[in-house]
Amino acid sequence: AQSVAQPEDQVNVAEGNPLTVKCTYSVSGNPYLFWYVQYPNRGLQFLLKYITGDNLVKGSYGFEAEFNKSQTSFHLKKPSALVSDSALYFCAVRDISGNTGKLIFGQGTTLQVKP
Amino acid sequence: DTAVSQTPKYLVTQMGNDKSIKCEQNLGHDTMYWYKQDSKKFLKIMFSYNNKELIINETVPNRFSPKSPDKAHLNLHINSLELGDSAVYFCASSRDLWTASYEQYFGPGTRLTVT
Repeated sequence: AQSVAQPEDQVNVAEGNPLTVKCTYSVSGNPYLFWYVQYPNRGLQFLLKYITGDNLVKGSYGFEAEFNKSQTSFHLKKPSALVSDSALYFCAVRDISGNTGKLIFGQGTTLQVKP
Repeated sequence: DTAVSQTPKYLVTQMGNDKSIKCEQNLGHDTMYWYKQDSKKFLKIMFSYNNKELIINETVPNRFSPKSPDKAHLNLHINSLELGDSAVYFCASSRDLWTASYEQYFGPGTRLTVT
């Protein structure tokens, strides 16, 4: 069965410092990995995805993610955090075991950026 | 223009009532989904539809009945509401069902509160 884990419920970072939000995955076959952000009382916004190719993927709002096959990880990063980055972040993997289209989400990580 | 829209945004109702949530996407996508986000922010797929055809029903009680009048709309009707149905319901769409690399676009969510 495919799964995603986000080991941290919350990450606290000072504004201007680099941030990392961790994600590990378990899939059979090639992973299709996604990061979404949810601002308070809003829907999920797509940030970036890994399909194939370069292990460093760049996305929206200055975010990037590093795919590491040997560690089965897909950590979200940003070189310099902003207070406005404070939100709930979800890692997800596309379920390719059947043609259902569904995303399997991690439990989410709350990012708190303090001024 | 909003890509994926849902109405209503908030829904407060009593146990035993029947209610509907509507979703529309103007992206020309073939596939639509309903996800449920519980009080712990955990996201889980409920249904997926492709070109008006039901693809998955992820062990959802049959009090929940999705309907897709055309591929741009996916509505969710809930009968005999229970306290445990209180959650945020997200509609999403993707270009098609089979291409694992396509991201999903989410609506703003409907917060359902059952009293």
